[in-house]
Amino acid sequence: DTGVSQDPRHKITKRGQNVTFRCDPISEHNRLYWYRQTLGQGPEFLTYFQNEAQLEKSRLLSDRFSAERPKGSFSTLEIQRTEQGDSAMYLCASRADGPDGYTFGSGTRLTVV
Amino acid sequence: DQQVKQNSPSLSVQEGRISILNCDYTNSMFDYFLWYKKYPAEGPTFLISISSIKDKNEDGRFTVFLNKSAKHLSLHIVPSQPGDSAVYFCAARRTYKYIFGTGTRLKVLA
Repeated sequence: DTGVSQDPRHKITKRGQNVTFRCDPISEHNRLYWYRQTLGQGPEFLTYFQNEAQLEKSRLLSDRFSAERPKGSFSTLEIQRTEQGDSAMYLCASRADGPDGYTFGSGTRLTVV
Repeated sequence: DQQVKQNSPSLSVQEGRISILNCDYTNSMFDYFLWYKKYPAEGPTFLISISSIKDKNEDGRFTVFLNKSAKHLSLHIVPSQPGDSAVYFCAARRTYKYIFGTGTRLKVLA
């Protein structure tokens, strides 16, 4: 297991299109997080899964955003009808139970033109 | 509502000297704190952590100090090396998620 994998690394899309990102966490990690980072800001929490259950969704996540984690393994984050303001780095992180911090993936950089 | 603040957006330090990065927080319910390092085009990587029941944790060249009464933590890097040049984020945990500061860009000058 080489860590948290995110795909794609980069995505350029036209405004109004739908995009989907994938995250494969570390296999023994039951907790999975999505964050968004824009220039000059720290990562901002979007949503959290424990196993397959989505336990929290930030107010930052409008109705155009949906995340899933079927079977408690990989996760997908979909953005419908993308807007220029959605341009950001989308980071996935996972961790096991206990006090340890996250392991982050390398992120998906989304550019909406 | 910025619960975790890093008030210095950037810091430059000579190689071999000490780098001190600061972080302030507002929520006394935070129970665990982390520092992450981030290079361009990569995800953040974990550096060092500290529990709220401790006031210091060391790992090699990195030491984190926690002052609960002041709601302040700091990361000391000594000696600083050019490879330490990156953006550093502090993060604080409440229940199951971490809240991040805005980051400090450290530049270590050779």
